[in-house]
Formats: sequence, structure tokens, C-alpha cells
Amino acid sequence: AQSVTQLGSHVSVSEGALVLLRCNYSSSVPPYLFWYVQYPNQGLQLLLKYTTGATLVKGINGFEAEFKKSETSFHLTKPSAHMSDAAEYFCAVTRGGYQKVTFGIGTKLQVIP
Amino acid sequence: DAEITQSPRHKITETGRQVTLACHQTWNHNNMFWYRQDLGHGLRLIHYSYGVQDTNKGEVSDGYSVSRSNTEDLPLTLESAASSQTSVYFCASSGSLAGGIDEQYFGPGTRLTVT
Repeated sequence: AQSVTQLGSHVSVSEGALVLLRCNYSSSVPPYLFWYVQYPNQGLQLLLKYTTGATLVKGINGFEAEFKKSETSFHLTKPSAHMSDAAEYFCAVTRGGYQKVTFGIGTKLQVIP
Repeated sequence: DAEITQSPRHKITETGRQVTLACHQTWNHNNMFWYRQDLGHGLRLIHYSYGVQDTNKGEVSDGYSVSRSNTEDLPLTLESAASSQTSVYFCASSGSLAGGIDEQYFGPGTRLTVT
């Protein structure tokens, strides 16, 4: 079975501060990992994904995430928060093939002016 | 541009009624998914399909059904709506033949209230 744990359902940062959203996964085989963002009253859209290769993955809007197999983590970071980053962020995992994607419960990011 | 649409965007219905939520994608994707989003639970998979005439149950499929008669559409039917089915419903699609690796593209959601 696979699972995702997002630590912190709500995170607040000041504008210009570092954003760090935590995600730990559980998978019996090498995983494929995703971060999605959901803005109010919208569907989810992909921020970035890790499949194979380079463990540091860059996404849209200045976000990046690092796959750390030894820590079973895929934390999302952004050096400097912007007001427009306020949204809910979902980490997701799949084992590929015909395996379904499992989503975390989400982390709501608040950016304080 | 290709897109995935859902209708209606908002729906209020009464307990016991049958409700169908529409999902239409123009990506020509093989794979389509229905999720419900509830506070504290994230997204939970209801049903999914890897192609025409293929449907599979997800983790919260009780009380829901789907059918896939063409590539573009995967309607979700609530057979007899219950208050516990009040939620926001998202349809998604992905293009990978393997089903799992490609990103999923999400529709805008349908907010369903069962009174």
C-alpha cells in the first residue's frame, strides 16, 4: 500500500519568507511523487513531479522539491513567499503502472503581508 | 485548447433523489477519475476508468456509479443522494496508458449539497 503524510494542515509565512511544506510518503517500491496546488474555487493543477533522475525538481512559480529516499520525504520549498502563493497544496504518490494516485490531506498556506 | 469541464458547478438536491454530475474532457485521455474533497480528508477516489467500457471502484464508491461509453465523458451518478454525499466533486484525466505516471488534469469541481 502507499500513503502520504502532510505535516501541518495550515502553515503561515510572512511575505518574502521561506516556504516549506512537508510531505512524507510510504511506498513499497520506488515512488512517483507530485505536488499540486489548488486556488480557491478551482481544481488542482500540477506544480511539479518526480519520476526518475534528478532528485531536485523545479516547478512552476519558483517552487521546487527534493526527493530524499533515505528520509522518504518530498518537501516543497520556495525561497521567498508571495501573496499569490496563498492556496492549498497537495502532495501525491503513485507506484506507476496501473496504480492509483494517493493524495495527502492538503496544507493550506497563508501568506501574511 | 484542450480542457476538462464539469457541470453543473453547483447543485442542491434532496435526499433520495438521483443525481448525475457530468465530466467532459477534450485531451483525448484514456484515464479518467472522480474524487470527492472534504475537509480533513483531502481527495478521495470514488471511481476511475482506464478506457472505454472500463470502470473501477475507488476507496469511497458506495452509493456512486459511473459508465464510460466514449473517451471524452465519465458521468458520475449518485443513485439515491444522502446528506453524507454533500461535498465538492472533482473530475480528472490523465494520458498515460499505464495510468499512474502522468499528471492528472482536474476540472473546476462541482459543489453538491444534499438537503
